[in-house]
Amino acid sequence: DIQMTQSPSSLSASVGDRVTITCQASQDINNFLNWYQQKPGKAPKLLIYDASNLELGVPSRFSGSGSGTDFTFTISSLQPEDIATYFCQQFDNLPYTFGQGTKLEIK
Amino acid sequence: EVQLVESGGGLVQPGGSLRLSCAASGFTFNTYDVYWVRQATGKGLEWVSGIGTGGDTYYSGSVKGRFTISRENARNSLYLQMNSLRAGDTAVYYCAIGRGGIFDYWGQGTLVSVSS
Repeated sequence: DIQMTQSPSSLSASVGDRVTITCQASQDINNFLNWYQQKPGKAPKLLIYDASNLELGVPSRFSGSGSGTDFTFTISSLQPEDIATYFCQQFDNLPYTFGQGTKLEIK
Repeated sequence: EVQLVESGGGLVQPGGSLRLSCAASGFTFNTYDVYWVRQATGKGLEWVSGIGTGGDTYYSGSVKGRFTISRENARNSLYLQMNSLRAGDTAVYYCAIGRGGIFDYWGQGTLVSVSS
C-alpha cells in the first residue's frame, strides 16, 4: 500500500496568515492526489483534485501543487471558517490511502 | 442538489453482521463510481470499498472476504454487507460518489459499533 505522510499533524495560525501543509507519498503517484477539508462533526469535502485543480465553488485562497512524491496545500490568507482538519489522499493505486490529517486551529 | 443518506448502522456483537445502505438523489447515480470510507472516532480516514459504474468491485485488505459492496441503480442505492465484524471495524461509515478515486460528494455517515 502507498503510505501518505502529512505534516504537520497540527498547526496554529492567525487570521490572514499563509498556511502550508505538505504530503509525501511513499512512491511516485504522478499527480493523483486530492485534498479534503473536514470540519468537526461533518463529512469531508473535496477541495483540490489532481494535485492542483480547485473544485467548483471552493474559494481561490485554497491551492495545491506538486507531483511525484511531494505535494503542498496552501491557504493564502487564513479565515476563521477554515478551522478544520485537512487530509491528502492518493488515487494512483488501490487501495486508496489518506494522510493522517492536519488539524488547523486559530491562534 | 446532491444528497447521500446512509442508514443501517448500530451496535453489533463481534462476529455479527450489518447491512449499510446509502440512498442517493440529485444526480444521475449510474454514471458515478460509489465508495465506502470509514473513520474511527478521533482518527483518520480509511477507504473501505468501491464499485464502478460497470459493477466492478474493490476492497481494502482489511475487509476483503468479509464485506460485500453492491449497488442498485434502479433504486439509486449503494449497499455494504458487513459480516464477521470485529472491534476494529467500529467507525463512522461514509458513502461517497466520485470518479476514479476522487471522492466528489460525501454523505453524513452512519455509526457502526462492534462490541460485546
